[in-house]
Amino acid sequence: ETGVTQTPRHLVMGMTNKKSLKCEQHLGHNAMYWYKQSAKKPLELMFVYSLEERVENNSVPSRFSPECPNSSHLFLHLHTLQPEDSALYLCASSQDPGEGETQYFGPGTRLLVL
Amino acid sequence: DQQVKQNSPSLSVQEGRISILNCDYTNSMFDYFLWYKKYPAEGPTFLISISSIKDKNEDGRFTVFLNKSAKHLSLHIVPSQPGDSAVYFCAATLYGAGSYQLTFGKGTKLSVIP
Repeated sequence: ETGVTQTPRHLVMGMTNKKSLKCEQHLGHNAMYWYKQSAKKPLELMFVYSLEERVENNSVPSRFSPECPNSSHLFLHLHTLQPEDSALYLCASSQDPGEGETQYFGPGTRLLVL
Repeated sequence: DQQVKQNSPSLSVQEGRISILNCDYTNSMFDYFLWYKKYPAEGPTFLISISSIKDKNEDGRFTVFLNKSAKHLSLHIVPSQPGDSAVYFCAATLYGAGSYQLTFGKGTKLSVIP
């Protein structure tokens, strides 16, 4: 198993659905991140976890709920999303949190909210 | 070893003058460079970017210059305003072999003095 994996790779959901995105890192890293990438926009940092504790939350709506049960797994729980939430959701990890660290990204989950 | 370096931890500039923030990198394979701006207690927000095939990109008061031979990029802010006071991060991306890396520098704290 290599690097950072994300499932599912594609997801279509209605506005009343509840779904979860999963991320797993096999790099022995201590920090994990969720990013959102909308069309023609750069990456937007959503959440940062360090040793399973949330260290950053960039004013993300409460309809996005992260969970980090251990240092290798990160979830993003979704409920009552809006069509404008359709985007590519990327998970990343780094050895430690911090701006000088190289972050390794998963392939992303392409989400479409109808 | 840091691949993206911002050697000046802080910079003070008078309002109305030019702010120049510098960034050096070591990996010639980086294909995209970004500048992020971060206020205290907030996550980084995207400011401006440049592809490795260009040498200049301008957006309003912000211009980024890339010198590939020197592995150096800079962010110019003209004219500087007090609201520009923040920490500025340089970042570089590398795509290859199904992986994606995003490496941030450690940041430069800009203080614009009224």
